[in-house]
Amino acid sequence: KQEVTQIPAALSVPEGENLVLNCSFTDSAIYNLQWFRQDPGKGLTSLLLIQSSQREQTSGRLNASLDKSSGRSTLYIAASQPGDSATYLCAVRPMGTSYDKVIFGPGTSLSVIP
Amino acid sequence: GAVVSQHPSWVICKSGTSVKIECRSLDFQATTMFWYRQFPKQSLMLMATSNEGSKATYEQGVEKDKFLINHASLTLSTLTVTSAHPEDSSFYICSARDPRRGANVLTFGAGSRLTVL
Repeated sequence: KQEVTQIPAALSVPEGENLVLNCSFTDSAIYNLQWFRQDPGKGLTSLLLIQSSQREQTSGRLNASLDKSSGRSTLYIAASQPGDSATYLCAVRPMGTSYDKVIFGPGTSLSVIP
Repeated sequence: GAVVSQHPSWVICKSGTSVKIECRSLDFQATTMFWYRQFPKQSLMLMATSNEGSKATYEQGVEKDKFLINHASLTLSTLTVTSAHPEDSSFYICSARDPRRGANVLTFGAGSRLTVL
């Protein structure tokens, strides 16, 4: 059974710092891994999607890497800003399922202090 | 881009009543939609897969008679929480796959917060 974990559960950094969020999954048989952002009481915003054949994806100040064999992904945020404060969720789409199922991690709550 | 709309965004109801939440794909047709629920400070858990024109598929532990799902058209799926109780209070989010964007991309709605008094 696929399980997704995220470390740390919460993170507080001063503005301007670079930071790394970690995501681990137990079964490497995945179609893709996706990083989302969720603001309090709001839905999800997709940040980056990495296909199983890819090693990384970049969008602006965000860079996500994927090491499928070790079951790990990292989300790197450069030059953090207060507006980056949110909960970041990673999710994997497992192979071997008949639906477009996505399994989410518990999230990392990020606070960027001005 | 693909847009998924949920309505209402928040609802408060009395215990014992039923509440319907709508999930619409605004600019694409979705044969499959997914319903998730999220308890405070917890991650999203898949509840069911909604299939247009057929019965929904529920995840283990989700009561199908409690959470009625109807996917009557290619742009609308509804989740009805029947005889709601306080423990049903949660954040419900739907997602849909835009076939134009490939099989790997899901678009999420903004969520509906249900509070049962």
